[in-house]
Amino acid sequence: VVLTQSPDTLSLSPGERATLSCRASQSVSRRYLAWYQQKPGQAPRLLIFGASDRATGIPDRFSGSGSGTDFTLSISRLEPEDFAVYYCQQYGSSPRTFGQGTKLEIK
Amino acid sequence: EVQLVEAGGGLIQPGGSLRLSCAASGFTVSSNYMSWVRQAPGKGLEWVSTFYSGGNTYYADSVKGRFTISRDNSKNTLHLQMNSLRVEDTAVYYCARDYYDSSDETHYYYMDVWGEGTTVTVSS
Repeated sequence: VVLTQSPDTLSLSPGERATLSCRASQSVSRRYLAWYQQKPGQAPRLLIFGASDRATGIPDRFSGSGSGTDFTLSISRLEPEDFAVYYCQQYGSSPRTFGQGTKLEIK
Repeated sequence: EVQLVEAGGGLIQPGGSLRLSCAASGFTVSSNYMSWVRQAPGKGLEWVSTFYSGGNTYYADSVKGRFTISRDNSKNTLHLQMNSLRVEDTAVYYCARDYYDSSDETHYYYMDVWGEGTTVTVSS
């Protein structure tokens, strides 16, 4: 399953709302889609699993939605620490695959 | 504290071999699905291999036949033996734990714990 994320880069200011998209080449079974955040020089961090469930310790300004082939990660009010690269990953089909990433940068 | 620490990366010539290690603490490797994920410089994430708790192993097509995943239960450690290395294997290699939901006794193929990564550079 090929995952295509858009946009490649999103330029926003702190306090604004961010909407990141992840589109799959075929339906992702059982909404088995996860989102990760990665900051420079760090390992990825799990944010969302099951398309919309937040991982432990993730602030509620992060939310996930979608089903089938279209998924969205929303960040309601951007904090300075939210500027990073975000990856989606599907785990409903083998092999698991990642999107190419969306870089969220400060405007 | 749940933690993964990788080691073993370095500079190696094409065609060479390298063995990566991932030491776990705070949980038992043999009870979990454990994976390797890599990231080429400036690129995205790529799943490499997974070792199931029951012993089955799986590989990405790009490394099948060259890489071998294994675990040492006595040391609570995961390994990745990489042979016939190519320039395109250059990447940061992350060790990660696949999530296990104890409420329904189900393993899921997304990663909830990650190591800090070890860098492998394949170059002449």
